[in-house]
Amino acid sequence: DTEVTQTPKHLVMGMTNKKSLKCEQHMGHRAMYWYKQKAKKPPELMFVYSYEKLSINESVPSRFSPECPNSSLLNLHLHALQPEDSALYLCASSQEYGGGNSPLHFGNGTRLTVT
Amino acid sequence: DQQVKQNSPSLSVQEGRISILNCDYTNSMFDYFLWYKKYPAEGPTFLISISSIKDKNEDGRFTVFLNKSAKHLSLHIVPSQPGDSAVYFCAASARVPQTNSGYALNFGKGTSLLVTP
Repeated sequence: DTEVTQTPKHLVMGMTNKKSLKCEQHMGHRAMYWYKQKAKKPPELMFVYSYEKLSINESVPSRFSPECPNSSLLNLHLHALQPEDSALYLCASSQEYGGGNSPLHFGNGTRLTVT
Repeated sequence: DQQVKQNSPSLSVQEGRISILNCDYTNSMFDYFLWYKKYPAEGPTFLISISSIKDKNEDGRFTVFLNKSAKHLSLHIVPSQPGDSAVYFCAASARVPQTNSGYALNFGKGTSLLVTP
């Protein structure tokens, strides 16, 4: 079982809906990440939080809004998405935001379909 | 621009034999290389990593070799087991310019390994 828990596992939403993806870890990790993965593609980084502060925002459209309420929780708020935003959204955490010597632990993802 | 390349989309190996998964990279500033394994309907799982200052790292059945001059690394699994069947992602880490502590993890497109009984 993964130590990074993501809910929901599946989500179908219309283009006018507002929804949120949730991620939780209790490993004491101080860095948390959102990745997006399309079929047969590698994961693409969206956001990085380090010590609850946004460290990296990889030019993601404003219809995706991250939130880190505390060191264990990470949310991704979704609003007015497009069908091309349909993908697997992966949350990950690492002990520190320090590169390859702090490997990522991934959740199982939320499979998002935008209709 | 793909900085981490896995040129073999798939690989089939017989149980008990060696699986060799290859990865090439273009950025000489990468300081760590990692391998992740992904089963369907699950997130990637960290497998093994190697620092750019080393040329080999071993963990049980898994060994990663790094050839910096060729900008090439490989993951060896021996002996291969049916449970090793999964998609394997190569990833490389580099500091992000214009940041004090930012790192970017670049993933390859993955190689699907099938281990047959």
